[in-house]
Amino acid sequence: DAGVTQSPTHLIKTRGQQVTLRCSPKSGHDTVSWYQQALGQGPQFIFQYYEEEERQRGNFPDRFSGHQFPNYSSELNVNALLLGDSALYLCASSPRRVTPYGYTFGSGTRLTVV
Amino acid sequence: DAKTTQPTSMDCAEGRAANLPCNHSTISGNEYVYWYRQIHSQGPQYIIHGLKNNETNEMASLIITEDRKSSTLILPHATLRDTAVYYCIVRAYTGTASKLTFGTGTRLQVTL
Repeated sequence: DAGVTQSPTHLIKTRGQQVTLRCSPKSGHDTVSWYQQALGQGPQFIFQYYEEEERQRGNFPDRFSGHQFPNYSSELNVNALLLGDSALYLCASSPRRVTPYGYTFGSGTRLTVV
Repeated sequence: DAKTTQPTSMDCAEGRAANLPCNHSTISGNEYVYWYRQIHSQGPQYIIHGLKNNETNEMASLIITEDRKSSTLILPHATLRDTAVYYCIVRAYTGTASKLTFGTGTRLQVTL
């Protein structure tokens, strides 16, 4: 059974460009969360999607937006990229009614903004 | 979520027990202690969680002090594969998916 799949694994973009990252949740999971992890830091919560709507949001600007599709997969979009957006972007999926060990993380997308 | 404090880094010899401490002095009565780890180039992985009793599973043991202001994650026989960043998280368990608040964690280096 595949876990959480993220694509692409690595990406290089130029300042001011836009980027879309993709996440396929683990089979049976309907809730997707996105995290940003800067070098040397712990992951920071960006937002969570359930039933195709944003349910929770962390302290990130509106340049960060997302979408969830009927098959529960999700996209993270970042507009007007800044150098500071360079980070590992992690997707985590879970059932909506989640047990404490029910979160499954993908291996992430490494975004470099130059 | 209550704030946690962990040492930045620790070393452990392979085969020995690794004891990773975490302080959470402002923990509330309904908040659980969770431990995740992140091996290089992978996403975080759940290890164990507890409320007030000590817990053990196939990966580790969790010892929570009686006043619940601190806890220790124990890897009984550390191997090189246990080299990772370990995160202690304190949060209420609501039963529905919600954000996890990670700190900077403890970087555990297991050596021969």
